[in-house]
Amino acid sequence: SQQGEEDPQALSIQEGENATMNCSYKTSINNLQWYRQNSGRGLVHLILIRSNEREKHSGRLRVTLDTSKKSSSLLITASRAADTASYFCATDGNQFYFGTGTSLTVIP
Amino acid sequence: DGGITQSPKYLFRKEGQNVTLSCEQNLNHDAMYWYRQDPGQGLRLIYYSQIVNDFQKGDIAEGYSVSREKKESFPLTVTSAQKNPTAFYLCASRRTGLLTEAFFGQGTRLTVV
Repeated sequence: SQQGEEDPQALSIQEGENATMNCSYKTSINNLQWYRQNSGRGLVHLILIRSNEREKHSGRLRVTLDTSKKSSSLLITASRAADTASYFCATDGNQFYFGTGTSLTVIP
Repeated sequence: DGGITQSPKYLFRKEGQNVTLSCEQNLNHDAMYWYRQDPGQGLRLIYYSQIVNDFQKGDIAEGYSVSREKKESFPLTVTSAQKNPTAFYLCASRRTGLLTEAFFGQGTRLTVV
């Protein structure tokens, strides 16, 4: 399988804290994307980072990419209860594969 | 409104029956994908199509079939050969080329009874 892996599998933090989740992948990529999924719903795109970029910001999101280690991280700053969801990385190379996901719970 | 629609939202099937899940998009996207989601395993790729009348197997295509006769539609058939079909199925579409994001439907939850 070409599926990436994310860690931690589950993360529980207090509102206002930062949340960091990591993604490791196996193949060469053109870009890496992060998605969010609320329980029982479809995924929603959050941010895309190109293979020649090392860091990207969007609002409270910060994504890093290390292609030499085949890894990426997603940082959500100043978390809110509404950030509670599962987060997935997706690698975009010859095919489009998703990671195993991190389930984030933000406690009010 | 533009988007991608999956139907039905919930589906129950008796063992031994084939069932077809619908996925329709009006985003004019060339590429469409089917994923299966089980608890704790993330999304696994079943089939994908990058152009009409062409599709490719993903990691877990056994027991599934698809067709792509129209750009807007990419139905997935779960056959009786799929040994453990109970899962949440997600359809996605996107433009071909680099740096394109995927748009997802709301999913179909299939339960074998």
